[in-house]
Amino acid sequence: QSVLTQPPSVSAAPGQMVTISCSGSSSNIGNNYVSWYQHLPGTAPKLLIYENNKRPSGIPDRFSGSKSGTSATLDITGLQTGDEADYYCGTWENSLSLVVFGGGTKVTVL
Amino acid sequence: EVHLLESGGGLVQPGGSLRLSCAASGFSFSGYAMTWVRQAPGKGLQWVSAISASGSDTYYADSVKGRFTISRDNSKNTLSLHMKSLRAEDTAVYFCAKATGLHPKYYHSMDVWGKGTTVTVSS
Repeated sequence: QSVLTQPPSVSAAPGQMVTISCSGSSSNIGNNYVSWYQHLPGTAPKLLIYENNKRPSGIPDRFSGSKSGTSATLDITGLQTGDEADYYCGTWENSLSLVVFGGGTKVTVL
Repeated sequence: EVHLLESGGGLVQPGGSLRLSCAASGFSFSGYAMTWVRQAPGKGLQWVSAISASGSDTYYADSVKGRFTISRDNSKNTLSLHMKSLRAEDTAVYFCAKATGLHPKYYHSMDVWGKGTTVTVSS
């Protein structure tokens, strides 16, 4: 059971938007930054969003992040077939002094 | 080019030990905290351990605490993970990754990853 809760899967047609939620608590998301990762099987995870809403260089602005209270959200607009992957949120857990990830959300492009 | 390359994975019997290494290049290794993250077959990403830039502070997931030891050699740009008392549930692909910030609260933000090394614990 992950400390951070994500929906197991989301789907949408090409060109549409998907939203992935990440729910936590005051001891993690509520008082820390959130990161988001894209992971395709057999490859290295890729940092999409850091510090809640910042994109590393090279990440298209179709990917955006936000945080409100103890929850965070990743939006993917203009969905492409290449976006099919697993997406994870992550943050620091203050009560245990460790990094926590969400269980992951599989994005399917219909 | 910034690069991380893991090595040392393999097949080990339950109760056995293994040492993973991660060779870093293309950035000032001693200036960044480093982490290990794993993915078991069919499972999600699981954070394993982190070490501060100097190596003085270490952090572990509860599932590996007391069995795994993270270390680094800044003179050789190398990160290590010594794993002992291995269990079947430690079977996974192990990734090393570079944290973006020095404070532990930034250890979840990892901008450079290796391709991973596979550890299989089985008799």
